[in-house]
Amino acid sequence: EAGVVQSPRYKIIEKKQPVAFWCNPISGHNTLYWYLQNLGQGPELLIRYENEEAVDDSQLPKDRFSAERLKGVDSTLKIQPAELGDSAVYLCASSLDSGSDTQYFGPGTRLTVL
Amino acid sequence: QKEVEQDPGPLSVPEGAIVSLNCTYSNSAFQYFMWYRQYSRKGPELLMYTYSSGNKEDGRFTAQVDKSSKYISLFIRDSQPSDSATYLCAMTAYTGGFKTIFGAGTRLFVKA
Repeated sequence: EAGVVQSPRYKIIEKKQPVAFWCNPISGHNTLYWYLQNLGQGPELLIRYENEEAVDDSQLPKDRFSAERLKGVDSTLKIQPAELGDSAVYLCASSLDSGSDTQYFGPGTRLTVL
Repeated sequence: QKEVEQDPGPLSVPEGAIVSLNCTYSNSAFQYFMWYRQYSRKGPELLMYTYSSGNKEDGRFTAQVDKSSKYISLFIRDSQPSDSATYLCAMTAYTGGFKTIFGAGTRLFVKA
């Protein structure tokens, strides 16, 4: 079974530039999560999707971050414009549904903003 | 105060040692408790998942939950160099909406 796929794995951009991350969850998983992980910290939830619906985006900085999950499968997380403090690892995870506590994580995208 | 506290380490042990990793939490609404292992430049992978107080064993790993003390532990027996990683505790509450909070992770080094 293929795991959660994320791309790109690494991204270096200059501040004020836009950036997008892509995630393909495990087939059949209805719930998709985007997390932010700073160095030496645990993942922090940015947004959670149930199928196409964003059911928890309370921690998403909506002035610069946006996300979408068209057709309830793949998802894209965008930052525009990026700031120096956005440098971190962006993790995508999926689970069968929100009632399942088994979240499967992708390898993450490491973003460096210069 | 954070909802979940975890000592960041690093923790360095010799091969074959018993390792004890711990987390404390403040929110009594947490019902499900997980331990994830994260290798460098990889995503976290689920190791153990428990619901009730008590112990759960899986091979060399034992997860322990004490809800009365709001304290969870992960024990690793016969530790191996391949166990060197960051171990993250996580816990989920459904009261007032779904919420999963991760600890900051403990870096473990097992020396051969």
